[in-house]
Amino acid sequence: DPKIIQKPKYLVAVTGSEKILICEQYLGHNAMYWYRQSAKKPLEFMFSYSYQKLMDNQTASSRFQPQSSKKNHLDLQITALKPDDSATYFCASSQVGGHNNQAPLFGEGTRLSVL
Amino acid sequence: EQQVQQSPASLVLQEAENAELQCSFSIFTNQVQWFYQRPGGRLVSLLYNPSGTKQSGRLTSTTVIKERRSSLHISSSQITDSGTYLCAKRGSALGRLHFGAGTQLIVIP
Repeated sequence: DPKIIQKPKYLVAVTGSEKILICEQYLGHNAMYWYRQSAKKPLEFMFSYSYQKLMDNQTASSRFQPQSSKKNHLDLQITALKPDDSATYFCASSQVGGHNNQAPLFGEGTRLSVL
Repeated sequence: EQQVQQSPASLVLQEAENAELQCSFSIFTNQVQWFYQRPGGRLVSLLYNPSGTKQSGRLTSTTVIKERRSSLHISSSQITDSGTYLCAKRGSALGRLHFGAGTQLIVIP
């Protein structure tokens, strides 16, 4: 029973189009993140959100925009898609604050292919 | 600069053999996390080991801060251990992990 739900699992897009990757977590966590894993690079951090506010952005391109409509949602909008954006995008979450220091828990990922 | 280096890149073992995976860091860290990535992609946290030796079942991790390295020992490997093992260093920013490229482990009968 997955507690971090990512949709869709697979996504094929054409160059120049726009897609939204969905992430919902049902763990009651107060922080959510996006990571990207491509064939060329190790898993890399993209964004962190806490209480629906952007805390850290390590993505150079403004084509990647996280969207948080609810505290347990963190979607990722990608515009003007390029073939280099092809990767698996992982959503993660954790509880932070106080004495909490747990590592993020990860969803199953959305595998994006841009043609 | 790649902050986390893992070796070997791949490893093939026969069932019941032991595996030793290595992770080294470009800077000192006391926040080391080991993950297992299943074929198909899901990441599972295995061990958090800031320093010294930590054990969980057949897994034993040893982190030596002053040498900027951590290792993961898998004893009596099983076919179901096959997959990619990722080492990560926790960054200073919220939820940020710096991952290595991983060690792909294949266990054969």
